[in-house]
Amino acid sequence: SQKIEQNSEALNIQEGKTATLTCNYTNYSPAYLQWYRQDPGRGPVFLLLIRENEKEKRKERLKVTFDTTLKQSLFHITASQPADSATYLCALPDTGRRALTFGSGTRLQVQP
Amino acid sequence: DGGITQSPKYLFRKEGQNVTLSCEQNLNHDAMYWYRQDPGQGLRLIYYSQIVNDFQKGDIAEGYSVSREKKESFPLTVTSAQKNPTAFYLCASSIDYAGQANSNQPQHFGDGTRLSIL
Repeated sequence: SQKIEQNSEALNIQEGKTATLTCNYTNYSPAYLQWYRQDPGRGPVFLLLIRENEKEKRKERLKVTFDTTLKQSLFHITASQPADSATYLCALPDTGRRALTFGSGTRLQVQP
Repeated sequence: DGGITQSPKYLFRKEGQNVTLSCEQNLNHDAMYWYRQDPGQGLRLIYYSQIVNDFQKGDIAEGYSVSREKKESFPLTVTSAQKNPTAFYLCASSIDYAGQANSNQPQHFGDGTRLSIL
């Protein structure tokens, strides 16, 4: 069955540095991948979508890459700020079912 | 302002009691979803609906029930058969269902209902 893995350990970085989060998947060839941000006690908020034929997507300080050979997506936040502190979730469309499967998320903590 | 409204924000259930969580959207979306989130874990799909009067079970449907009588509304009932209901419940919607290969629509989430057992 398909499986999504995100680093369960929190990522702590210094303000101004680039944060890089990883999303790996197995037994799967998704047509696209999505990234969401979730703050404590709130619902996830959509950030970016990248399709299988796109290598990279950018939005302001955010950059997402999608390597279908490695079955991996990397999510980068450049010039990170304390306000970027949150949990970041990746999600892929299910196979055989019309829904998304979410990873467990990686918590990012940006220190001032 | 368009969005998804979940209510109540906090809910307490007594033993043997059924409780219903409300989810309303004014985004004119066809697809709606219910997820359960436990501490330190990702979102697990309970039920989803692609269109009015139709819904399918997700990964953890046992002990839950839903209805989709109106496009805007997708209430979730946590029945007494759900033995471990304490969790954060999230409702979401999208213009179309996530499985379409050419879909580029994200899911929009409400701010959740936190359910606890008394």
